[in-house]
Amino acid sequence: AQSVAQPEDQVNVAEGNPLTVKCTYSVSGNPYLFWYVQYPNRGLQFLLKYITGDNLVKGSYGFEAEFNKSQTSFHLKKPSALVSDSALYFCAVRDSYGNNRLAFGKGNQVVVIP
Amino acid sequence: DAGVTQSPTHLIKTRGQQVTLRCSPKSGHDTVSWYQQALGQGPQFIFQYYEEEERQRGNFPDRFSGHQFPNYSSELNVNALLLGDSALYLCASSLLLAKNIQYFGAGTRLSVL
Repeated sequence: AQSVAQPEDQVNVAEGNPLTVKCTYSVSGNPYLFWYVQYPNRGLQFLLKYITGDNLVKGSYGFEAEFNKSQTSFHLKKPSALVSDSALYFCAVRDSYGNNRLAFGKGNQVVVIP
Repeated sequence: DAGVTQSPTHLIKTRGQQVTLRCSPKSGHDTVSWYQQALGQGPQFIFQYYEEEERQRGNFPDRFSGHQFPNYSSELNVNALLLGDSALYLCASSLLLAKNIQYFGAGTRLSVL
């Protein structure tokens, strides 16, 4: 069964500083990896995905993520955080065998301090 | 182009009652998945519908059932509600036969009293 670990409950960062949100995964075969963001009382918004190809994936709003197969990680990054980036971030994984269900981590609350 | 729409946005029920939640997928999508997000947790997969059939199911009891209609819209039904069923219920749509993104609706907040 696939699973995701997001080890930190909350990430605090000063505005303008780099932001990193950590994610490790477990899945059979090759992973399909996703990052979503959730604002209060809203659904999940897609940020980026890794299916195959370059290990560095670029997504919406200046976010990027680096896939590391040996460390089974898919950390989300942004070079310069904005106050508006304050939200709940979820990492998710599915396998490549046609099992279309997503397994989510528990989420990381990101707080960007002005 | 409308995204995934869910109704109602909020719902209050009492224990033992039954509830029906509705979802219209993004235009062009043929697959609907339902997730339960308890407070402070990540979404948990309930089940997935494709071609009007349940294709996959997560670890949820039979009190949770669903349906998909010919226009790809879907319903989630929960019978004999428990206090622990209080959560945000999210619907996601996608194309089954593609390595595709699941797009989520805003969810239905269910409170069971």
